[in-house]
Amino acid sequence: GAVVSQHPSRVICKSGTSVKIECRSLDFQATTMFWYRQFPKQSLMLMATSNEGSKATYEQGVEKDKFLINHASLTLSTLTVTSAHPEDSSFYICSAQHRADEQFFGPGTRLTVL
Amino acid sequence: AQSVTQLDSHVSVSEGTPVLLRCNYSSSYSPSLFWYVQHPNKGLQLLLKYTSAATLVKGINGFEAEFKKSETSFHLTKPSAHMSDAAEYFCVVSPSYGQNFVFGPGTRLSVLP
Repeated sequence: GAVVSQHPSRVICKSGTSVKIECRSLDFQATTMFWYRQFPKQSLMLMATSNEGSKATYEQGVEKDKFLINHASLTLSTLTVTSAHPEDSSFYICSAQHRADEQFFGPGTRLTVL
Repeated sequence: AQSVTQLDSHVSVSEGTPVLLRCNYSSSYSPSLFWYVQHPNKGLQLLLKYTSAATLVKGINGFEAEFKKSETSFHLTKPSAHMSDAAEYFCVVSPSYGQNFVFGPGTRLSVLP
């Protein structure tokens, strides 16, 4: 079946540093990938839609200069949290669209900003 | 616009008894509907999906859901709960073409021995 990986699975960083999270579709090509954020005991909130070869589309309230998304190939999208602060600590999950009606989700990346 | 309501934030059942997790949706389109399960600190796993074919959808691990347009519901059921079913369950609605997933708030299922 369709598999999506994320790297790293867990990252701890100091306030003010930048962190890059990778999302890869391992056995299929995905022109569209999605980035979600999940706070503890809450649901997933869509942050942005990443389209290969074009600019990402950000949801209302998501700072595009803080959460940089790059989708340079059909199997890789990256999310960079720039100048991270403790309030950015969260569980970040990506998904990749496979066929017309389904998304496959990565295992998530837990970011902790000290 | 799409929205999803999961009426119960927490459901607790005994092992071997039936499970019912409720989901109601609103959508301007003929939606696709999904149920995902998330175990602690893990990603999401697709249990089943409805995409305008049969209204009774069978998924993995013995779960099934019935799409009822008149009630705008897509409740998840399982005849007999297992300890390994304890997890967070999300109902998701999407217009056609699999984009713009809207997640419900989730229901935490506890299974008691």
